[in-house]
Amino acid sequence: EAGVAQSPRYKIIEKRQSVAFWCNPISGHATLYWYQQILGQGPKLLIQFQNNGVVDDSQLPKDRFSAERLKGVDSTLKIQPAKLEDSAVYLCASSPTDIGNYEQYFGPGTRLTVT
Amino acid sequence: GDSVTQMEGPVTLSEEAFLTINCTYTATGYPSLFWYVQYPGEGLQLLLKATKADDKGSNKGFEATYRKETTSFHLEKGSVQVSDSAVYFCALSGGQGAQKLVFGQGTRLTINP
Repeated sequence: EAGVAQSPRYKIIEKRQSVAFWCNPISGHATLYWYQQILGQGPKLLIQFQNNGVVDDSQLPKDRFSAERLKGVDSTLKIQPAKLEDSAVYLCASSPTDIGNYEQYFGPGTRLTVT
Repeated sequence: GDSVTQMEGPVTLSEEAFLTINCTYTATGYPSLFWYVQYPGEGLQLLLKATKADDKGSNKGFEATYRKETTSFHLEKGSVQVSDSAVYFCALSGGQGAQKLVFGQGTRLTINP
């Protein structure tokens, strides 16, 4: 079974530029998550989708971050405009159900550096 | 809100030493508890989990017991190997009915031969 795919793996941009990250979850997984992991910290949830609907985006900086999950499969996370403090690893994860507490499967992450 | 606190790192041990990484949590309700591991250059992997009080999760020689009375989920291994060098994250989910994972800050473990 293929795991969670993410691209690109690395991205370097200047502040005020825009950037987009892509995630393809494990086939059949209904729930998709985007986490932000700043160096030296644990991952923090940005947004959770159930199929193509948003379940939790309470910690997403909506003035600059946006995310979508068209057709309930792939997802894109965008930052526009980027700030220096957005430098982090962006992790995508998926899980097979929205009921109970189930394991989340993580992709390799996208390392973003904002200069 | 829910939170997880891990012991400060980094931790450096010699091969075959005993390992303990402390983890305590604050949560509403009855969360599930997890340990995730991040090897160099790789993504997060689930190491073990426990879904209710007194459950013991185990995998690859690692163990952790869900202690509700002390709100703890300490990770232990009797004899570490160089290949165990990684960053370890304690996490919880379901504390407020939410499925999202709430992570501790991570503990970097280095094992010297």
